[in-house]
Amino acid sequence: GAVVSQHPSRVICKSGTSVKIECRSLDFQATTMFWYRQFPKQSLMLMATSNEGSKATYEQGVEKDKFLINHASLTLSTLTVTSAHPEDSSFYICSAREAGPTYNEQFFGPGTRLTVL
Amino acid sequence: QKEVEQNSGPLSVPEGAIASLNCTYSDRGSQSFFWYRQYSGKSPELIMSIYSNGDKEDGRFTAQLNKASQYVSLLIRDSQPSDSATYLCAVNGVRDDKIIFGKGTRLHILP
Repeated sequence: GAVVSQHPSRVICKSGTSVKIECRSLDFQATTMFWYRQFPKQSLMLMATSNEGSKATYEQGVEKDKFLINHASLTLSTLTVTSAHPEDSSFYICSAREAGPTYNEQFFGPGTRLTVL
Repeated sequence: QKEVEQNSGPLSVPEGAIASLNCTYSDRGSQSFFWYRQYSGKSPELIMSIYSNGDKEDGRFTAQLNKASQYVSLLIRDSQPSDSATYLCAVNGVRDDKIIFGKGTRLHILP
């Protein structure tokens, strides 16, 4: 159980374009989803926390107008990287936490590798 | 400032031996503790959760928690080359909406 999918797994785009990444919880309902970014050989960096039906909470230093997050349902959250630039190239990973009384376990999607040319 | 500290490694362990990974945390209010495994180029995978003091065993893995010492560890018995990965310790509190991750310990199992 507790499967989280991400789509696409890999994307290459030109500088200035926007890229949308989907994160889905396949076998559970997720009240909260998290978006992380990880550069090569570096730690996970939390970008934002999204709760179903409300605005995302962004971490300090993360531009909310550049990284648009929509958590429209209990099984789907999307991250849109707007006007992407080469410095946005990274590994983007979502995670989801199950709704209801839990011990806050988070399950990660397989990640999306973004390359901006 | 909530922090989770891990030795970055690499920790090299002979195949078949016990690998011991350690983690300390600063927030005394933390209630939930997790170990994730991350292979190079992949996303983290939850391998153990522990919520009360003592040991919790799952196959070759044993998580140990000592809240008084603010210390959590992961033991891997009969280490295999496939256990070579980065192990992330993660902690959160009762009212905290977020899990705080350590920077991870790189484990290398020597064949």
